[in-house]
Amino acid sequence: QVQLVQSGAEVQKPGASVNISCRASGYTFTDYYIHWMRQAPGQGLEWMGIIHPSGGSTSYAQRFQGRVTMTRDKSTSTVYMELSSLTFGDTAVYYCARVVMPAAGYDAFDIWGQGTMVAVSS
Amino acid sequence: EIVLTQSPATLSVSPGDRATLSCRASQTVSSNLAWYQQKPGQTPRLLFYGASTRATGVPARFSGSGSATEFTLIISSLQSEDFALYFCQQYHRWPVTFGGGTKVEIK
Repeated sequence: QVQLVQSGAEVQKPGASVNISCRASGYTFTDYYIHWMRQAPGQGLEWMGIIHPSGGSTSYAQRFQGRVTMTRDKSTSTVYMELSSLTFGDTAVYYCARVVMPAAGYDAFDIWGQGTMVAVSS
Repeated sequence: EIVLTQSPATLSVSPGDRATLSCRASQTVSSNLAWYQQKPGQTPRLLFYGASTRATGVPARFSGSGSATEFTLIISSLQSEDFALYFCQQYHRWPVTFGGGTKVEIK
């Protein structure tokens, strides 16, 4: 079935980086944009950015510019999100999600990864 | 960026009752609005996109409506499995933004 499977929970120290993977299956990987969001404990969702799995183009939310990098590996149908210079405020569940319509960059999200908990702790 | 304001923050409803949730945008998003349901410890589930297009598998007791800046999600007769957090999302303008959510709880 169509699914996104993310890598496991991480504990990182302040100042470190985290790299989360999101592997797609059950559909043509290059046809659908992937977005990344995060949700801090007890908070709402925050959009981080978008990647086009076909060409690799990206766009990041302003508050993460310079700190986030999204990449993809077409050979394994996997997208990656790296967030650097972590602070305690980056503690959250990070989600990848697929858009509803093929080739639509900005759209609703019908398929979500299971989430990856990132805890920043000294 | 477009700010989405959801009201109320918490809605206390009895099973079988109707629930009406609101999402207001700070500027027009046309019909580029989605609704999601999220239960504790679970991932968000898409309910509606295009403001009123029901996602696959969403029961008919859920309905979405609205355009421009005012949107409504109605649950006509609440079932036990409907008690959850609901939030809206706009994808009309970069950046994508989400509302703060409405928690539907048992009265």
